[in-house]
Amino acid sequence: AQSVTQLDSQVPVFEEAPVELRCNYSSSVSVYLFWYVQYPNQGLQLLLKYLSGSTLVKGINGFEAEFNKSQTSFHLRKPSVHISDTAEYFCAVFNAGKSTFGDGTTLTVKP
Amino acid sequence: EPEVTQTPSHQVTQMGQEVILRCVPISNHLYFYWYRQILGQKVEFLVSFYNNEISEKSEIFDDQFSVERPDGSNFTLKIRSTKLEDSAMYFCASSEVSWNQPQHFGDGTRLSIL
Repeated sequence: AQSVTQLDSQVPVFEEAPVELRCNYSSSVSVYLFWYVQYPNQGLQLLLKYLSGSTLVKGINGFEAEFNKSQTSFHLRKPSVHISDTAEYFCAVFNAGKSTFGDGTTLTVKP
Repeated sequence: EPEVTQTPSHQVTQMGQEVILRCVPISNHLYFYWYRQILGQKVEFLVSFYNNEISEKSEIFDDQFSVERPDGSNFTLKIRSTKLEDSAMYFCASSEVSWNQPQHFGDGTRLSIL
């Protein structure tokens, strides 16, 4: 069985500050890791993915994430956030034909 | 960029009625999925579909649910006798030829059971 834990349910930050959204996963097999963003009343948009290779992956909107196998983590970072980054962020693991999502982290960027 | 499209965007149905949610996956994708998100909760996997049959399903996907690809473009989720607790956002997703390709999600159908 696989599971995903997003360690922070809510993250408030000021505009232009850096942010890290934390994600830990557990799985008995190799998995593929994703971060999705959900803006209010919209679907899920892929931010970035880790399939193999370099452990630092870059995504859209200036986000990046680092895969750490020993710590089973896949934390999402952005060096300087904008008001428009306010949204729900979901970490997900994918294996054997299905994705397992974390509970989500609400990122609120304040002016 | 190609998109997964879902219709309707909002469906209101009386409890006990049947409902069909429709999805048009990205045209060259071969794997299709349905997920559910109850208001304020996490996204939950329902079912995956490949080669005209179910590949995986969760414990949520019981006998009241069914999926079908009636033609070359549509992928539907049917709920036979809706219950109040079926109220949720339902997301369709599709992915390319390999299991490890990212899933592209539609904007969802909000299902409200009265």
